[in-house]
Amino acid sequence: GDSVTQMEGPVTLSEEAFLTINCTYTATGYPSLFWYVQYPGEGLQLLLKATKADDKGSNKGFEATYRKETTSFHLEKGSVQVSDSAVYFCALRKKLTFGTGTRLTIIP
Amino acid sequence: GAGVSQSPSNKVTEKGKDVELRCDPISGHTALYWYRQSLGQGLEFLIYFQGNSAPDKSGLPSDRFSAERTGGSVSTLTIQRTQQEDSAVYLCASSFDRVGQPQHFGDGTRLSIL
Repeated sequence: GDSVTQMEGPVTLSEEAFLTINCTYTATGYPSLFWYVQYPGEGLQLLLKATKADDKGSNKGFEATYRKETTSFHLEKGSVQVSDSAVYFCALRKKLTFGTGTRLTIIP
Repeated sequence: GAGVSQSPSNKVTEKGKDVELRCDPISGHTALYWYRQSLGQGLEFLIYFQGNSAPDKSGLPSDRFSAERTGGSVSTLTIQRTQQEDSAVYLCASSFDRVGQPQHFGDGTRLSIL
């Protein structure tokens, strides 16, 4: 069945640092891939998505590229802000299979 | 509001009692999903509705769990004879029923079993 392996957290970075959160998946075919984010005290919300190989999803300065050859969808941001502190979840398909989540804390 | 609405936001009940959790999806969204978020298990899929039918119930953990959806809109998740391991945040999401469509999540119901 489907599975998602996500970078273990927590991750603590200084403001303006470069961020990478790794995500790899196991699935048949070409599943849609998503990053969801959960800010403190808020519900889950979509951050970005990609629906086919080599697609790049982007939003709020975050990017992730659908790499079929490495079955990966790593999340990146060039310069993080304190407001990016949240828990990030990688997920796939319509019936979402989630990774375990990565808690990110940005220190001013 | 235009978002997914869940009620109650918090529920505390005694072991062995039945509970009903409600989800009001975004108008026009034909797909509805229930998930469970718990410390030990992360985010788990429970059930998917397409309209009023549930083609995928594979995530329901036991026969104590059931869900229904009426009028292609509101859904209720029922847990009978609750156990302490049922304590979790139960999340509902809705979307248009097409591949690649993002799901919109409610704020969840935090269920605590004493």
